[in-house]
Formats: sequence, C-alpha cells, structure tokens
Amino acid sequence: DAKTTQPNSMESNEEEPVHLPCNHSTISGTDYIHWYRQLPSQGPEYVIHGLTSNVNNRMASLAIAEDRKSSTLILHRATLRDAAVYYCILAAGNNRKLIWGLGTSLAVNP
Amino acid sequence: GAVVSQHPSWVICKSGTSVKIECRSLDFQATTMFWYRQFPKQSLMLMATSNEGSKATYEQGVEKDKFLINHASLTLSTLTVTSAHPEDSSFYICSAKPFGAGELFFGEGSRLTVL
Repeated sequence: DAKTTQPNSMESNEEEPVHLPCNHSTISGTDYIHWYRQLPSQGPEYVIHGLTSNVNNRMASLAIAEDRKSSTLILHRATLRDAAVYYCILAAGNNRKLIWGLGTSLAVNP
Repeated sequence: GAVVSQHPSWVICKSGTSVKIECRSLDFQATTMFWYRQFPKQSLMLMATSNEGSKATYEQGVEKDKFLINHASLTLSTLTVTSAHPEDSSFYICSAKPFGAGELFFGEGSRLTVL
C-alpha cells in the first residue's frame, strides 16, 4: 500500500485559513486521496476525498498536485472545533480498507 | 451523511471476562464492516474485516479466537473480546461504507478498560 507523509503537528489561529500538507510520492494511478479527522475520544470523521481534480465541499477543499505526489487539505476559516488529528490516506478504487498513518495534530488558538 | 453507531461507548470489566461491542449501520445496509483498535496517541490499526453471512477476515497478528466477530445481519456486526486482559484495554472503532459511497463512516468508538 502506498504511504503518506504528514507533519506531526501544526498550529493555527481561529478564523484563519489552514493548509495541511500530505506527501504521497508512491501513489498509483487508481489511488484516491482521502482525508479524515479525529477529535479526541471519538471515531474518525470523513472530510473529503479526490482522485485528480481539486475538490470542494462544505467542510474543506482538497488541492491535488498535478503529478498527484502531494495534496493539501484547506480549511478556509479554522474554528476551535477544527482542532483534531487529520489523516491523509490513499485508497485504491473501491478498496475500503484504509491504512492509517499518524496524521497531523492541528491546534487552533483562540 | 450515513450513521454508524457503537454500543457501549465505554466498558470496564475484570480480567478474564468477555466483552461484546456492537456496531450498527442505522440508515444503510453494510455487507462489510471494519473493526479497528487504537491505543493512546497512536493511529488506528485495522483488526479485521467483517463480512455479512460469512467469516471475518483478520489482519496479520490479530488472534481470531480472541477477537470474535459476528456479522449476522446487514446492519449489525459484533466484536467480542474473549478472556480480556489489561493489555486488551484500548479504543475499539468500527466503520462501514454505504453502497456507492466513496467514503467510510465510523462509529463513535468503544473504550474498553480491563482491570
């Protein structure tokens, strides 16, 4: 399974945009890029996913590099409730078996 | 979005007893559910894939006789930790994916503490 690399932690201020990077240099052509987040003592929550084109939803935007070897999750205006561990995961096609790394722990300052 | 619910949210038991955790898909049918375990400050580790009407598929290193999985219906999978010991204390999480959806939905997690 292709692996991802994320910074261990990041910090942001409330109401400012946050850009969470993810490197996945060994991504294959059929791998989708998924982002999930996990608040303390809760199950993970889906954020967004994409294949090649940039994606937007009500929670965030996903910017995918042209060579697909990296991507960035963008939270447009961070809130205190966005403080969580964010996981960038690759999943092939309909493969629902996700391999989890350590993710990025995001702290949001008031 | 789809809802996956786990019960109980937390459980404390004595060493040697068995504990059952339920995972339900509330508004969709799930032929496949996934069970994860997460230790403090660590990532999720996939334990097994639960298949409705058939045997679960366990990941390498996970004892199938210790972690019994039953997926008797399209909306319910159960994980039973048999003869639990303190080292089994962990956060157990299930997930499922509705047909046609691109993402997984997760339960709230069940925290097991074995004394």
